[in-house]
Amino acid sequence: KQEVTQIPAALSVPEGENLVLNCSFTDSAIYNLQWFRQDPGKGLTSLLLIQSSQREQTSGRLNASLDKSSGRSTLYIAASQPGDSATYLCAVRGGSQGNLIFGKGTKLSVKP
Amino acid sequence: EAQVTQNPRYLITVTGKKLTVTCSQNMNHEYMSWYRQDPGLGLRQIYYSMNVEVTDKGDVPEGYKVSRKEKRNFPLILESPSPNQTSLYFCASRPRGGSTEAFFGQGTRLTVV
Repeated sequence: KQEVTQIPAALSVPEGENLVLNCSFTDSAIYNLQWFRQDPGKGLTSLLLIQSSQREQTSGRLNASLDKSSGRSTLYIAASQPGDSATYLCAVRGGSQGNLIFGKGTKLSVKP
Repeated sequence: EAQVTQNPRYLITVTGKKLTVTCSQNMNHEYMSWYRQDPGLGLRQIYYSMNVEVTDKGDVPEGYKVSRKEKRNFPLILESPSPNQTSLYFCASRPRGGSTEAFFGQGTRLTVV
């Protein structure tokens, strides 16, 4: 059964720092991987979608990479800002029905 | 605007009183699903639907029912809610196909007292 792990569970950095969030998954047979942002008590905002055939995707200050063979993805955030403070969730699509399996998230706090 | 809409956004109810949380999408997506999110447990899938009249259990289906009579709607039904169903619920949809992106509703905060 697919398991998704995100490390660290929480991260606090000063404003302006570049940072990396990690996501690992146990079954490399995935269709794609999606990174989400969630503000406290709010919905999920899709940040980046990486297809299984891709190595990385970029959107603004965000860059997500995928190494399917090793079961890893990273989300790189450049020049972090206080507005980036949120929980970041990684989810992989796989299995016969293509369901999304989520990690438990990394809670990011960017201090001014 | 393409979106997944859940109602209500917040609900406080009493144990045993049947309730329905509605979910509607305007993107003509075949696949829809429900998740619950709990502290320390993350998001777990309750039910999903591959298309109209096709539904299946996810990882935590106990105490829930769903129906898919129309493509755009996928209501979540709690026949007899209990306090352990207090949670944040999300509906999601996506087009058919393995490589497609999932879209989520804004969530429903349910409290059962």
